[in-house]
Amino acid sequence: QSALTQPASVSGSLGQSITISCSGTRNDVGGYNYVSWYQQHPGKAPTVIIYDVNKRPSGVSNRFSGSKSGSTASLTISGLQAEDEADYFCNSYTSSTTYVFGTGTKVSVL
Amino acid sequence: IQLRQSGLGLVRPSQTLSVTCAISGDSVSNLTAAWNWIRQSPSRGLEWLGRTYYRSKWLNDYALSVKSRLNVNPDTSKNQFSLILRSVTPEDAAVYYCARDGNGQNWFDSWGQGTLVTVSS
Repeated sequence: QSALTQPASVSGSLGQSITISCSGTRNDVGGYNYVSWYQQHPGKAPTVIIYDVNKRPSGVSNRFSGSKSGSTASLTISGLQAEDEADYFCNSYTSSTTYVFGTGTKVSVL
Repeated sequence: IQLRQSGLGLVRPSQTLSVTCAISGDSVSNLTAAWNWIRQSPSRGLEWLGRTYYRSKWLNDYALSVKSRLNVNPDTSKNQFSLILRSVTPEDAAVYYCARDGNGQNWFDSWGQGTLVTVSS
């Protein structure tokens, strides 16, 4: 199972919107609405910010939104804030009843 | 729910890595939860390794990359689960996390604190 493909880095200015892509196959992202996104700050465990493609857990800012088209999922962060600077990983359930993570994207706030 | 990890951080090449995850606030036998191991290294990023779950019997799923070397075992008497990775190499050096995907969900809502594992003789 190959890792899902994400851009290595994305940057944006305070208040701007950015989008991170997550490309997979029909055996993972394209086959299931079980895409989740995780935010990770240095030295900390990841925390979920989006699940089931576009749902937000309680307590997560509505500045985070998710979508999917075919085998590519996307995470959009609107109104970029300094605390959004972190690593972001997508994850998908697969046809092998396993999970696969994305390669990770470092978000920088300019 | 809280997940608390324990285990040795230094393993010699070719030996066996063992890490345990103690569960509080849930049960390892929960019929709607699954108990996962995930690792993270600079070279491999986040990598899902495997899980155990109870659905009238104990089941396991494993990533192909480690399937021949990995066991994820439940311990109902202590309400915990463990990772057993055999024949480790320097490529297995990573931070290992336990995590729950619960309530029939396919995402990880609770994570352990992480265990830094070094592989060295």
